[in-house]
Amino acid sequence: EVQLLESGGGLVQPGGSLRLSCAASGFTFSSYAMSWVRQAPGKGLEWVSAISGSGGSTYYADSVKGRFTISRDNSKNTLYLQMNSLRAEDTAVYYCAKGRKSGWYVEIYFDYWGQGTLVTVSS
Amino acid sequence: DIQMTQSPSSLSASVGDRVTITCRASQGISNYLAWYQQKPGKVPKLLIYAASTLQSGVPSRFSGSGSGTDFTLTISSLQPEDVATYYCQKYNSAPGTFGPGTKVDIK
Repeated sequence: EVQLLESGGGLVQPGGSLRLSCAASGFTFSSYAMSWVRQAPGKGLEWVSAISGSGGSTYYADSVKGRFTISRDNSKNTLYLQMNSLRAEDTAVYYCAKGRKSGWYVEIYFDYWGQGTLVTVSS
Repeated sequence: DIQMTQSPSSLSASVGDRVTITCRASQGISNYLAWYQQKPGKVPKLLIYAASTLQSGVPSRFSGSGSGTDFTLTISSLQPEDVATYYCQKYNSAPGTFGPGTKVDIK
C-alpha cells in the first residue's frame, strides 16, 4: 500500500525558513517523480515543485522560484521541501504527491497524495 | 505560462442528473489533462488522466473528453457521494497548473 506522510509544518514568522519532509513507502520511490502541491485555506490547488526520480531534474512554480528547494534522498525514501524567505501568502496545507507513471519523465499528475502538513506564516 | 479556467465555478444539481464541467487551456496541451475530485476535508483524488482515461477504481459514471484547449468532465448520473470540488490540471510540461475548481453540490 502506497503511503506518503508529510511532516515539518508549523508556525513561522515572515522571512523565516522551514523544511518539510515526506516519508514514502509501498512503492519503488526512486522510480517515480514526486511533487509538492499546496492549498491555501479555503482556496484551490497550486502546484509548487517537482523532482525526477533520480533527483537530477527539478521544476518550480514562479511563485516560489529562488526561495524553495525540492530534493530527495532515495536511500531514505524521503522527499523534502526547503522553504526560505517565507511570506504570508505561502500559508497553506502542503501535500506531497506521487507521479502516476514511473520512468525518466517527470510526471506532474498524481495518483497518490499525502494527508498534508499545514504551514502558517504569521508574525 | 498556460492558464487554466473552469466553468461553472459552482453548480447545484439533483441526484440522477447529468453534470458537465468545462476546463479550458489558454494554449493547446494535446490530451495532457487530468481531473481530480476533492471532497470536503479530504485529499484530492485522481479521476481521469490523458483527458479521457479513467483511473483504476473510479466509477464509470465519470468520463472525460477533449483535446487541445477544451475539455469536459461528465458525471452521467450524479450521486450524493459526488459532492466535491473538481479540479482540472495540465501536465504537458511544468508548471502543472490547476484550474480554479468547480464546486458541485446536491439540489
